[in-house]
Amino acid sequence: KQEVTQIPAALSVPEGENLVLNCSFTDSAIYNLQWFRQDPGKGLTSLLLIQSSQREQTSGRLNASLDKSSGRSTLYIAASQPGDSATYLCAVNTGTASKLTFGTGTRLQVTL
Amino acid sequence: KAGVTQTPRYLIKTRGQQVTLSCSPISGHRSVSWYQQTPGQGLQFLFEYFSETQRNKGNFPGRFSGRQFSNSRSEMNVSTLELGDSALYLCASSFVAGDTDTQYFGPGTRLTVL
Repeated sequence: KQEVTQIPAALSVPEGENLVLNCSFTDSAIYNLQWFRQDPGKGLTSLLLIQSSQREQTSGRLNASLDKSSGRSTLYIAASQPGDSATYLCAVNTGTASKLTFGTGTRLQVTL
Repeated sequence: KAGVTQTPRYLIKTRGQQVTLSCSPISGHRSVSWYQQTPGQGLQFLFEYFSETQRNKGNFPGRFSGRQFSNSRSEMNVSTLELGDSALYLCASSFVAGDTDTQYFGPGTRLTVL
């Protein structure tokens, strides 16, 4: 059974800092990994999708890496801003239809 | 292109009642998945529909059911509501080209069971 863990559970940083969020999964046989952000009480916004054959993906200030063999992914956020404050979730697709297994999330607060 | 829409956005029901939630996927997307999000259990997969067929089902009791129509719109139904069914219900759609596509989520339906 696939299990996904995210560390840390919560993080508070001052504006402008670079930061790294971690995601680990127990079954390395994945099709892809997706990072989402969720604002309080809202749905999920897709940030980045990494296919199993890829090592990283970049979008603006965000960079996600994937090390499938070790069961790890990181989300790097450069020059953090207060608007980045949200919960960040990673999810893996093990190829069973479109079923995603989610991590527990990292709640990020970026302070002025 | 319009995003995933879910109706209603908020619902209040009492124990024992039943409820139907609706999800309209992004135009052209054929897969619709449903998830339940609670503070204690996080996001859990309910089921996924593709071309009107349920392809996968999570570990939820039979009170949770769903269906998909020919236009890819999907509904999920929860019968005999329990207090523990209070949650944010999210649906996601994807185009599906080899199970590698990005999933796009709707804003969710917040269900409160009293």
